Amino acid sequence: DTGVSQDPRHKITKRGQNVTFRCDPISEHNRLYWYRQTLGQGPEFLTYFQNEAQLEKSRLLSDRFSAERPKGSFSTLEIQRTEQGDSAMYLCASSLEEAGGPREQFFGPGTRLTVL
Amino acid sequence: GEDVEQSLFLSVREGDSSVINCTYTDSSSTYLYWYKQEPGAGLQLLTYIFSNMDMKQDQRLTVLLNKKDKHLSLRIADTQTGDSAIYFCARPDTGRRALTFGSGTRLQVQP
Repeated sequence: DTGVSQDPRHKITKRGQNVTFRCDPISEHNRLYWYRQTLGQGPEFLTYFQNEAQLEKSRLLSDRFSAERPKGSFSTLEIQRTEQGDSAMYLCASSLEEAGGPREQFFGPGTRLTVL
Repeated sequence: GEDVEQSLFLSVREGDSSVINCTYTDSSSTYLYWYKQEPGAGLQLLTYIFSNMDMKQDQRLTVLLNKKDKHLSLRIADTQTGDSAIYFCARPDTGRRALTFGSGTRLQVQP
């Protein structure tokens, strides 16, 4: 396992359509995070999982967004009824939680979403 | 992130040293991180520093932490054209697991 992978790398959709992204974390990592990055900004936190449990959601995560990590391995992020404001890079990261450790988060290449 | 600030742009000549600065407001962070992002790519973790350290060196990279002034810097020695990218500093959110990022500093290396 060489790192975090995301699929697709690019997605173009029409406003109102639903989209789903997938993230495969580093295999031994127990934490998985989703971030959103818009042009000229740093990533902004959306949500994170510890194993299969979704432990925290940002206020950015509206009710049109849902994330799952059913078996504590890969995760999906779904956006329903997409809006043009959803256009962004969606980044996934994973980390291994160890007491007192640096909690380094390793990022995937991202999925760039364009909503027309 | 509102409480992590960076200058937007830095231009250096190949072979010179680059210094990228970051200030933050939350002094409770245990670790502070530097990430690199190349065009169209995800973020690559470059290095991190524990809050009880003043300096950390890793090959061409030197991280300096001034806790009193809440100032973090990343020095890249002998900057190469391949170092051209956006550099983000980040800190863990207070009581949370997420990272708060600055807006990034675009480093341009001129041959």
